Amino acid sequence: SQQGEEDPQALSIQEGENATMNCSYKTSINNLQWYRQNSGRGLVHLILIRSNEREKHSGRLRVTLDTSKKSSSLLITASRAADTASYFCATDAVDGGATNKLIFGTGTLLAVQP
Amino acid sequence: ETGVTQTPRHLVMGMTNKKSLKCEQHLGHNAMYWYKQSAKKPLELMFVYSLEERVENNSVPSRFSPECPNSSHLFLHLHTLQPEDSALYLCASSQVYFPRYEQYFGPGTRLTVT
Repeated sequence: SQQGEEDPQALSIQEGENATMNCSYKTSINNLQWYRQNSGRGLVHLILIRSNEREKHSGRLRVTLDTSKKSSSLLITASRAADTASYFCATDAVDGGATNKLIFGTGTLLAVQP
Repeated sequence: ETGVTQTPRHLVMGMTNKKSLKCEQHLGHNAMYWYKQSAKKPLELMFVYSLEERVENNSVPSRFSPECPNSSHLFLHLHTLQPEDSALYLCASSQVYFPRYEQYFGPGTRLTVT
């Protein structure tokens, strides 16, 4: 499987509800980032969490990191139709040696119904 | 919007054509990236330039040829492409070539090879 795998692949909710997306990874990391991508556009950085952090907030976003389970979650509270997008996690996996690469997952497609 | 621009936004080319994609960043960053995004696949890193020097070349076919004439501009020269090369090509930049730093993406070029 991929280094970063998001779950679920697709999520549909009503406006005002909370949306939770999960990311699992396989190897040790130094930090994990979340990005958003509106349809057919570039990715936009949302938040970065370091391996020594457990939780981080930014506006309506809450990210958690559990390094023992090699997983992270992104919670969007009080969702809006404008939150409709794909969400990706990205890790700086150490893969048999030093790497400077960010490795992206396959993404979760979030649809927020008005 | 993000300080990274890409042209053209859409490109249709035959398999025997030669075309180029252009990326420009106005952020004063030192690292620039080309990614390929195909449906249902993770973002694929193609090339990385740091301080105008190519530092990553991820087994990309020679029909893709990058060029970085200065730290603000990045090109991807295309020739004799295959239909499976149809995808969204994203350019990104970061302050330095290190995964702790967030990447800023352009809006992408939607390429269709006929």
